[in-house]
Amino acid sequence: AQSVTQLDSHVSVSEGTPVLLRCNYSSSYSPSLFWYVQHPNKGLQLLLKYTSAATLVKGINGFEAEFKKSETSFHLTKPSAHMSDAAEYFCVVFNQGGKLIFGQGTELSVKP
Amino acid sequence: DTGVSQNPRHKITKRGQNVTFRCDPISEHNRLYWYRQTLGQGPEFLTYFQNEAQLEKSRLLSDRFSAERPKGSFSTLEIQRTEQGDSAMYLCASSPRPASGTDTQYFGPGTRLTVL
Repeated sequence: AQSVTQLDSHVSVSEGTPVLLRCNYSSSYSPSLFWYVQHPNKGLQLLLKYTSAATLVKGINGFEAEFKKSETSFHLTKPSAHMSDAAEYFCVVFNQGGKLIFGQGTELSVKP
Repeated sequence: DTGVSQNPRHKITKRGQNVTFRCDPISEHNRLYWYRQTLGQGPEFLTYFQNEAQLEKSRLLSDRFSAERPKGSFSTLEIQRTEQGDSAMYLCASSPRPASGTDTQYFGPGTRLTVL
C-alpha cells in the first residue's frame, strides 16, 4: 500500500526566512509525488510534481522539492517565505489505480 | 480556459434530507474524481469516472452515496438520508486522459456540506 506522512502538522516561520515542509512516503514501486497548496476558502492548487525524471523539482511561487529515494522523502522548500505563502500544504502520492492519496497536511504560518 | 466548477459552494441541510452536488470538469478532461475532506484532514478519495464509466468506489462511499456522470460530461454526487457525519467539504477534480499513466488532477473549489 502507498502512503505519505507529513511530519509536522504546523510550521511557523518569519517572513523572509526559509521554509521546510517535510514529507516521507511509502511505496512498493517508484512513486509519483505531488505537493498541493490550499488557501482558505480556495481550491487545491498544484505546486509541483515528481514523475521519475529529475529528482529536484521546481514548482510555482519559488517552491521546490527534492526526491530522495534512500530516505523515502520528498520535502518541500522555499528560500524566502512571503506572507502570501500562509496556507495548508499537502504531500500526495499517486496510486496506480488512479486516485491520489493525501497526507494529513501541514499548516504554514508566516509571521511579519 | 475555465477550471473545474462546483455547485453549490455551500449547502446546509437537516439530518435525513437528500442533497445533490454538481461538478463541471475542465472541458475535454476524460477523468473526473470525487474526494471528501473533513476538518483538519487531507482529502480522501471517494470515486472516479473515466468518461461515463465509474471505475472505482471507496469503502467510504456507503449505500447512501451515489455518483453519476451521464454522457461523460458533468457529474453529480447525491447523498440520501444525510447524517451529521456527512458534514465535510466535497471536492471534485478532473484530469486529461494521461499518456504516461500519471494524472495531474485539477481541483474545483469544493462544496461545503453542513448537516444539522
